[in-house]
Amino acid sequence: DTGVSQDPRHKITKRGQNVTFRCDPISEHNRLYWYRQTLGQGPEFLTYFQNEAQLEKSRLLSDRFSAERPKGSFSTLEIQRTEQGDSAMYLCASRGTGTRRGPDTQYFGPGTRLTVL
Amino acid sequence: SQKIEQNSEALNIQEGKTATLTCNYTNYSPAYLQWYRQDPGRGPVFLLLIRENEKEKRKERLKVTFDTTLKQSLFHITASQPADSATYLCAARSGAGSYQLTFGKGTKLSVIP
Repeated sequence: DTGVSQDPRHKITKRGQNVTFRCDPISEHNRLYWYRQTLGQGPEFLTYFQNEAQLEKSRLLSDRFSAERPKGSFSTLEIQRTEQGDSAMYLCASRGTGTRRGPDTQYFGPGTRLTVL
Repeated sequence: SQKIEQNSEALNIQEGKTATLTCNYTNYSPAYLQWYRQDPGRGPVFLLLIRENEKEKRKERLKVTFDTTLKQSLFHITASQPADSATYLCAARSGAGSYQLTFGKGTKLSVIP
């Protein structure tokens, strides 16, 4: 168990540019989540994958955001035409099918901090 | 809409005392609540889960209660230490048929030596 990893850890971009983040979940975990967190707020759900299938997306998710998990392993989150309001920490989490720790217990990565200038 | 509320943004307590953090939920009845710890610049780390049919759960110096009448969960850290200083988040599934976890804003705990 090497934990959830995210890359890059920090990204600074100019408004209007596209950015892509990567998440590598814990290897045996088939469920993967993306969240966004701004200062002083809790994580806000963006989208959920079970294996390669994207099963749920937040209604708040703009069509500039897209996520993929092509082989059911790593996932990417792309933001097109970034805006200053997209500046936030983007967190990835994963979990397996077992319930040893209880339902929905998620393991979070360190996050990617995005700054849009 | 369904809400998870943590009323205290910040809590300062003296080392050795018991910290008590509150989580309230409105407009739904989650089957369980989770508590996470988050340190600055890092992702949340799972601490405890309590189900609606459990009144209390303990893990080392941590204790969580779940009162479905009050629609509230309390999170206690006994014999608090400066290393317990962090933000604590309450979370619950957003509703039946949803995979989303809804988080509260968190309470920033500072344990003063």
